[in-house]
Amino acid sequence: DTGVSQDPRHKITKRGQNVTFRCDPISEHNRLYWYRQTLGQGPEFLTYFQNEAQLEKSRLLSDRFSAERPKGSFSTLEIQRTEQGDSAMYLCASSSPRLAGGYNEQFFGPGTRLTVL
Amino acid sequence: AQSVTQLDSQVPVFEEAPVELRCNYSSSVSVYLFWYVQYPNQGLQLLLKYLSGSTLVKGINGFEAEFNKSQTSFHLRKPSVHISDTAEYFCAVSLWSGGSNYKLTFGKGTLLTVNP
Repeated sequence: DTGVSQDPRHKITKRGQNVTFRCDPISEHNRLYWYRQTLGQGPEFLTYFQNEAQLEKSRLLSDRFSAERPKGSFSTLEIQRTEQGDSAMYLCASSSPRLAGGYNEQFFGPGTRLTVL
Repeated sequence: AQSVTQLDSQVPVFEEAPVELRCNYSSSVSVYLFWYVQYPNQGLQLLLKYLSGSTLVKGINGFEAEFNKSQTSFHLRKPSVHISDTAEYFCAVSLWSGGSNYKLTFGKGTLLTVNP
């Protein structure tokens, strides 16, 4: 299976700790997105990359959050000094408008569920 | 800015009954419209999409949706549901920008529960 993969699937941490999540997109997909989904809500856009360039960041992405995609392949999302309000499912998606003739279907990974105690 | 409203947070139905999940959107420009399904502890799977052309779109698992521009709606329907359709369903919009669409704006979701 060559879908989007995320690691870890679950993370439990204590308030104040730093955590890092990884996303491996579908190969050849040049766009990569991060979304956050809290309980009872739909996913909310956090940020997206085109190749290694981070082109947009949501206001939801506070200074404690940082995302990278150093070689235009996998991406990491780091949360520093975690707070209980950071507890959520973090979803990654990838796409390639070039491969799809301009249409940008996003393929989602299974998500990383973060619980901050 | 665009927004999506899913009018029902929960929809319980009996197996083999028809179902409609409602979605309304707000945008000042043209959008693409999508329905995704999410099974417990899983990511999102695309059910169907409206890009242009025919306003009635068919998706996977027997679902279909109709785009109504005047009503700004994109309701999802299935004529006969199965137990396995129990899941959370999300309506989403995406703007066209810079030669393609990109980020998705989702509704809050509708939990469809199919009872025997």
